[in-house]
Amino acid sequence: EAQVTQNPRYLITVTGKKLTVTCSQNMNHEYMSWYRQDPGLGLRQIYYSMNVEVTDKGDVPEGYKVSRKEKRNFPLILESPSPNQTSLYFCASSFEKRETQYFGPGTRLLVL
Amino acid sequence: AQKITQTQPGMFVQEKEAVTLDCTYDTSDQSYGLFWYKQPSSGEMIFLIYQGSYDEQNATEGRYSLNFQKARKSANLVISASQLGDSAMYFCAIRLMFSGGYNKLIFGAGTRLAVHP
Repeated sequence: EAQVTQNPRYLITVTGKKLTVTCSQNMNHEYMSWYRQDPGLGLRQIYYSMNVEVTDKGDVPEGYKVSRKEKRNFPLILESPSPNQTSLYFCASSFEKRETQYFGPGTRLLVL
Repeated sequence: AQKITQTQPGMFVQEKEAVTLDCTYDTSDQSYGLFWYKQPSSGEMIFLIYQGSYDEQNATEGRYSLNFQKARKSANLVISASQLGDSAMYFCAIRLMFSGGYNKLIFGAGTRLAVHP
């Protein structure tokens, strides 16, 4: 089954404790991105990657890091989480020229 | 600046009736794509329908249709024969292309639809 998976789905952590949210897709997509969703703001792009070892900042990159060492994986790293990073996070992927981005199931993060 | 506006924070509709969710966009680009996604209470983002800026026909997918009015920069979603399972948050998004092949989705704030029996 073609899909985008994220782990964990739910995470409660404390300020300053490094965490990683994994994202994996099995569709051989070149393009992957991370979004965060906050009430009244819709989804905003954090980082994106056009291919292996090619990543760049989106609209709200502060406090986040990413890496793309393999085509299928695109982890989101919070080196020192803060309460304002409490949000719902989505990973998405697509072929570069295709019309649709496929979203993962989302990760709900609470930073205390 | 490009942006997407969904003016209806919440909507109510009676089961089996049709409902229109509004979306306007602002871009100076000639080539772009418009998307609608559904987000049920479980949280996942479900792709519903796509309209390309050069498509002359309005897109349709089952009970979903996109009323695309390019000159007015609007891309309203029409759901016919509403069902209880249509209760969800709905997001309009515009996909913009940049040099080098990079594309980006910009989302509206969403409209919460409640379908009443």
